[in-house]
Amino acid sequence: DIQMTQSPASLSASLGETVTIECRASEDIYSNLAWYQQKPGNSPQLLIYDANSLADGVPSRFSGSGSGTQYSLKINSLQSEDVASYFCQQYNNYPWTFGGGTKLELK
Amino acid sequence: EVQLVESGGGLVQPGRSLKLSCAASGFTFSNYYMAWVRQAPKKGLEWVATISTSGSRTYYPDSVKGRFTISRDNAKSSLYLQMNSLKSEDTATYYCARQPAFFDYWGQGVMVTVSS
Repeated sequence: DIQMTQSPASLSASLGETVTIECRASEDIYSNLAWYQQKPGNSPQLLIYDANSLADGVPSRFSGSGSGTQYSLKINSLQSEDVASYFCQQYNNYPWTFGGGTKLELK
Repeated sequence: EVQLVESGGGLVQPGRSLKLSCAASGFTFSNYYMAWVRQAPKKGLEWVATISTSGSRTYYPDSVKGRFTISRDNAKSSLYLQMNSLKSEDTATYYCARQPAFFDYWGQGVMVTVSS
């Protein structure tokens, strides 16, 4: 199974700041990576797919990058509504696996 | 608008069975792979099962293989998860999700608690 390691596990940032979350795969996943946002009490929502494609309706301050085994999610100009947990997920190989998550809070 | 609405959750004793349902609308259900993903309280996400468009192919992680069965009824735009021999570690919120490859739409989730 492909292991997905996210860092950091938690993060505190100020409004307007730029935030980066990392995700490392245990083997090459050829950009078959998605990012999800889960706000408190809600179900996850797709943010990014194919490592860098923005899902419909997602603000442009979110962006994804990376290749091979290393990927990142960047949030520019952090807004209060971005307080959430973020998860990466690989869909290159079955079984499909998620990272452990990053909890983003406001400083 | 894509909508996925789960039902059937609740409290169940260890070793017993439970069947979850997911009613889909707003898209052509029969054109998409569908999946169940779960989240234990205060924990991360775990993929649980996937079914192909026709239902002929199903996929499970080792943690539920042999105990859980995913199925679908394309005529009713409905997805199901039959859960047998439930264990305390199956306690989680279960989400129905559309799966073109990644999980692009999710339901609101249904809670399953396995406890005596």
